[in-house]
Amino acid sequence: DAGITQSPRYKITETGRQVTLMCHQTWSHSYMFWYRQDLGHGLRLIYYSAAADITDKGEVPDGYVVSRSKTENFPLTLESATRSQTSVYFCASSRGRGYEQYFGPGTRLTVT
Amino acid sequence: EDQVTQSPEALRLQEGESSSLNCSYTVSGLRGLFWYRQDPGKGPEFLFTLYSAGEEKEKERLKATLTKKESFLHITAPKPEDSATYLCAVQAPGSQGNLIFGKGTKLSVKP
Repeated sequence: DAGITQSPRYKITETGRQVTLMCHQTWSHSYMFWYRQDLGHGLRLIYYSAAADITDKGEVPDGYVVSRSKTENFPLTLESATRSQTSVYFCASSRGRGYEQYFGPGTRLTVT
Repeated sequence: EDQVTQSPEALRLQEGESSSLNCSYTVSGLRGLFWYRQDPGKGPEFLFTLYSAGEEKEKERLKATLTKKESFLHITAPKPEDSATYLCAVQAPGSQGNLIFGKGTKLSVKP
């Protein structure tokens, strides 16, 4: 079915481990985004990508790495997870600047 | 600094009791204001985009309006299924499509 999917939906990991969250969209949208959502902070942008092989930092990029070798995929990697990265992570895509973003279902990550 | 402030933080209504949610912003040169609905445990769902002051959009019981400093989401005769958190976001000029989100208004509609 067309849309934007994220995997896994739930993940528990230990401090110091590397974790990769996956995001896949079937619309061929050029823009993709990663947000984290925390109580009291709302949605904050981690990284975004305007096209394949073009990525840039958002508001809270420290501790995260992204890549975008294919238009449809935008994985987010936590190189060495910390407890402060416990959050709900949302991926989104958009056909361009000025257009609405469509969000995936989210990944709930717990770092113990 | 570009900011988006939503009020109230929470709103409890009786079924059929109309009300409005507010989103005020300090972005200069707005490139778009977006409303989303978010249900617990789910991703935000797109509702409306507004681009210029005076613009209005409607969908079922929801109507969004925009002025130069704020937007309102009017809910007419709400039903329990309208209960959700409503998020407002703005896109600033010079941004690469990035949105700045408010913290949301949690709406509860009781039967």
